[in-house]
Amino acid sequence: SYELTQPPSVSVSPGQTARITCSADALPKQYAYWYQQKPGQAPVLVIYKDSERPSGIPERFSGSSSGTTVTLTISGVQAEDEADYYCQSADSSGTVVFGGGTKLTVL
Amino acid sequence: EVQLVESGGGLVQPGRSLRLSCAASGFTFDDYAMHWVRQAPGKGLEWVSGISWNSGSTGYADSVKGRFTISRDNAKNSLYLQMNSLRAEDTALYYCAKVAGDGYWYFDLWGRGTLVTVSS
Repeated sequence: SYELTQPPSVSVSPGQTARITCSADALPKQYAYWYQQKPGQAPVLVIYKDSERPSGIPERFSGSSSGTTVTLTISGVQAEDEADYYCQSADSSGTVVFGGGTKLTVL
Repeated sequence: EVQLVESGGGLVQPGRSLRLSCAASGFTFDDYAMHWVRQAPGKGLEWVSGISWNSGSTGYADSVKGRFTISRDNAKNSLYLQMNSLRAEDTALYYCAKVAGDGYWYFDLWGRGTLVTVSS
């Protein structure tokens, strides 16, 4: 299997743009997905298939892909966006992989 | 209401067994593959195991292969995880998760989790 690498933490001020990266050798062949997890809560899907946004997720959440790196972008960050964010993918054998997670702090 | 409810967690001694259950409601359970994902205290998400809609295909993380067995009963809308030879490092909150659709490898519905603590 392979690993997905995320920065442990990202900090931004309210209203600014937060970018969280996720990199791995296999990403160009597999989609990436992003989850938001707030303390004491289950994860919530915020981006699927690299850049698609589920219904009910605010438009300020977007995803992009370039080479071996996918990026979750949160534009106009709000205090409520403070959470842990995880990228996820799956290899060709169907093994699911999560990144280590990124703690987003809203200053 | 569309939901997943896990149960069966608790305190167990190293080397013993435990069986987790996940009750699904509000959707056609046998249309979807299902997975278990765990989260050790203060740590990140770790995929544990997955099973296809008809139980024809299963997969396991290397860390649990040979010790854990995933199964499902579509007639009861239930998912299970039999955990044998438990270790301290299996201590975690175990989530049941539903895939978004056939052939999809991401999760659009999660339960609230059931806590497993392995300690003597």
